[in-house]
Amino acid sequence: AAGVIQSPRHLIKEKRETATLKCYPIPRHDTVYWYQQGPGQDPQFLISFYEKMQSDKGSIPDRFSAQQFSDYHSELNMSSLELGDSALYFCASSLSRGGYNEQFFGPGTRLTVL
Amino acid sequence: AQSVSQHNHHVILSEAASLELGCNYSYGGTVNLFWYVQYPGQHLQLLLKYFSGDPLVKGIKGFEAEFIKSKFSFNLRKPSVQGSDTAEYFCAVRGTYKYIFGTGTRLKVLA
Repeated sequence: AAGVIQSPRHLIKEKRETATLKCYPIPRHDTVYWYQQGPGQDPQFLISFYEKMQSDKGSIPDRFSAQQFSDYHSELNMSSLELGDSALYFCASSLSRGGYNEQFFGPGTRLTVL
Repeated sequence: AQSVSQHNHHVILSEAASLELGCNYSYGGTVNLFWYVQYPGQHLQLLLKYFSGDPLVKGIKGFEAEFIKSKFSFNLRKPSVQGSDTAEYFCAVRGTYKYIFGTGTRLKVLA
């Protein structure tokens, strides 16, 4: 079965650079979630989108923005990168219609900021 | 406020020992609970989930968990662990849109 796809899988950037992470949800899923997992920490919710509209917002820095496109894929844009942004960024997707919204996680993008 | 607590941050067991990891949650709505496993350098994998019905849930790799509503608990168990179970385990509760994760329990199984 198709799973959530994230690209790139690994990304190395320098401080103050920008980065764009992409997430392709499971086909027919309408909701996308972004999580950040720092080294040795639990995943923290950043932001989610349902039908291309922001549905919930967590601890996402103002330097980050995200959107969901008409094909339901999502991009997380990160600017003015800081060392502390080094983390594993997970995307998850779900089918929210009908209320059954188990999330399926992607493999993550490991971002390293030097 | 919604929250998840995992009481054991680090657990070390010998092979064939029994495992129980504690998870308590705080959430006022309909409860959906999950246990995920994360092997070193890998992504989250779903072990098992509880949505409704039988409070004793069986998952993959011989894991099971019991939902006890009166105790707000969803403890993970395995009768006999193996070296391949060395990983970090996260309990999670589904909020309105997002998942709320516990801080994780690092399990190391010694041969």
